[in-house]
Amino acid sequence: DTGVSQNPRHKITKRGQNVTFRCDPISEHNRLYWYRQTLGQGPEFLTYFQNEAQLEKSRLLSDRFSAERPKGSFSTLEIQRTEQGDSAMYLCASSLATGWQAPYEQYFGPGTRLTVT
Amino acid sequence: EDKVVQSPLSLVVHEGDTVTLNCSYEVTNFRSLLWYKQEKKAPTFLFMLTSSGIEKKSGRLSSILDKKELFSILNITATQTGDSAVYLCAVEGVSGTYKYIFGTGTRLKVLA
Repeated sequence: DTGVSQNPRHKITKRGQNVTFRCDPISEHNRLYWYRQTLGQGPEFLTYFQNEAQLEKSRLLSDRFSAERPKGSFSTLEIQRTEQGDSAMYLCASSLATGWQAPYEQYFGPGTRLTVT
Repeated sequence: EDKVVQSPLSLVVHEGDTVTLNCSYEVTNFRSLLWYKQEKKAPTFLFMLTSSGIEKKSGRLSSILDKKELFSILNITATQTGDSAVYLCAVEGVSGTYKYIFGTGTRLKVLA
């Protein structure tokens, strides 16, 4: 399978615990995005990487959230001291941006569904 | 503030009907508009539109963009029950860096 993969697919955790999700983008895709999606809403942008550089973070992303993409390949999203309001589907997407002028297609992974009890 | 508005929010039709889904936007430095289909999983890519008036077509689905009036439509002809899904519109803007803004989606249900 050469698509975007995410692990785990489901995570149930107790409030106050830390969780970490992983995203493996399509091979050689240089841009990687994280989104959060709650029921009945479209995906909300959280952050994105161009290679290993984190270029933008949404103001939705509190200091309990951190993301890394250390070698410009896979990425991790960590949530510290989880709260019930963090329960959502966390989606990762990747794309190949060949130049700043060219728009590009974005492909999504299957998502990680987080439930905080 | 950048925003993407989709209408209608939901739609119920019978197999064989034709539907038109709408997406209007206000985004800084527009670059592209994308349509996705989402069933009970991650969104799957349908179309990317960058130029006004050029129709993109894939089977029974087609889409067109109007950059002057800031909207796009997605048409589905001869609908089938397998078309039942949420259809998402996303617009890419550039304000410093590149970012996609998604609408809330249109939930389409096709009855047999």
